[in-house]
Amino acid sequence: DAGVIQSPRHEVTEMGQEVTLRCKPISGHDYLFWYRQTMMRGLELLIYFNNNVPIDDSGMPEDRFSAKMPNASFSTLKIQPSEPRDSAVYFCASRPGGVTEAFFGQGTRLTVV
Amino acid sequence: DAKTTQPNSMESNEEEPVHLPCNHSTISGTDYIHWYRQLPSQGPEYVIHGLTSNVNNRMASLAIAEDRKSSTLILHRATLRDAAVYYCILRDDNDMRFGAGTRLTVKP
Repeated sequence: DAGVIQSPRHEVTEMGQEVTLRCKPISGHDYLFWYRQTMMRGLELLIYFNNNVPIDDSGMPEDRFSAKMPNASFSTLKIQPSEPRDSAVYFCASRPGGVTEAFFGQGTRLTVV
Repeated sequence: DAKTTQPNSMESNEEEPVHLPCNHSTISGTDYIHWYRQLPSQGPEYVIHGLTSNVNNRMASLAIAEDRKSSTLILHRATLRDAAVYYCILRDDNDMRFGAGTRLTVKP
């Protein structure tokens, strides 16, 4: 398997624009996680899914953020409208059920100007 | 997830052992202790995990206190490539929340 694949790797957008980040988890993994990392706040859990169902979205900062997992092989994190304070590295991770290791993607570096 | 406490930073010399501590005094009976590390410009990667007994793998060893209120990640011979932020987290079969971690610097 190629691991967790995120796209794009880098995104620069203007304030007010819609941004969509994409994640392909490892095949067969039941859990998918979205994180945001900044120098100030560290690595924050935004939302996670189990078997394509959102379980906990309490980390989503506000209504501008939304995440979907239409099937087991694809998830999106959308920001609409984007703001400069959304600039961060966004990571996606997946893992099987049970107390097992998680695998992270390479991240998407988002810059909102 | 229960909270963990780690030192902000540590230094080590290359080829010497490194002991990274983690306190988790509020750990519950079903929480596993996991360690991840994040190399520069990369996503976190799994290192090791355990429940009660000490654990060894090719990357590191995990020593767990008898009362499970603390644990220590042991890198037996640090290399320059081990310079990273090391995260200690507690998990049951649910989410994974990271604290600030320990930034390890390895000096040649």
